[in-house]
Amino acid sequence: EPEVTQTPSHQVTQMGQEVILRCVPISNHLYFYWYRQILGQKVEFLVSFYNNEISEKSEIFDDQFSVERPDGSNFTLKIRSTKLEDSAMYFCASSGGSGGRNNEQFFGPGTRLTVL
Amino acid sequence: GQNIDQPTEMTATEGAIVQINCTYQTSGFNGLFWYQQHAGEAPTFLSYNVLDGLEEKGRFSSFLSRSKGYSYLLLKELQMKDSASYLCAVRDNTDKLIFGTGTRLQVFP
Repeated sequence: EPEVTQTPSHQVTQMGQEVILRCVPISNHLYFYWYRQILGQKVEFLVSFYNNEISEKSEIFDDQFSVERPDGSNFTLKIRSTKLEDSAMYFCASSGGSGGRNNEQFFGPGTRLTVL
Repeated sequence: GQNIDQPTEMTATEGAIVQINCTYQTSGFNGLFWYQQHAGEAPTFLSYNVLDGLEEKGRFSSFLSRSKGYSYLLLKELQMKDSASYLCAVRDNTDKLIFGTGTRLQVFP
């Protein structure tokens, strides 16, 4: 069964450093998302991406964040200068094969980001 | 504003039935999802409702009433492996998912 994959599974970084979280969405999907979940809290939407541009972003997704689809398979989230409060599990999700927008969002296994 | 409410914790016994309720108030509605999440893992899809009524899928059923802003997830013949968090999420008009805080279900033998 096709699945969303994410690397790395765990990233530890120093405050102020840049990190890039990588995702490979399901191959025929057209809509891509990043969510985050701070330990013990709810899953929060960060950004959605379609047709090579951002569709929507939350207030969390400030100028320190960016997304990119550098090739036909990868979808990346970059945090330019990490802060302690960026420590969270980051989930990539994709949806929308031939069924269009009404399909479920499939989540990747997540990247646990720890900022020291 | 966006508000999704569900109980924080529930307990049940193996073999029993449990109903997890979810109420929502969102600026738009384009379907309601239930996800299961084991600790430290990704949410996995359980069910999707966009029209009023009951959707059944094996041991799991989900109900939606759009006029009441209400949904529930029904789990039958509970098994120990059903111990997890159950997340109610509303898809708004821009397709993003708005999640509730999740209901942590503990199943006891």
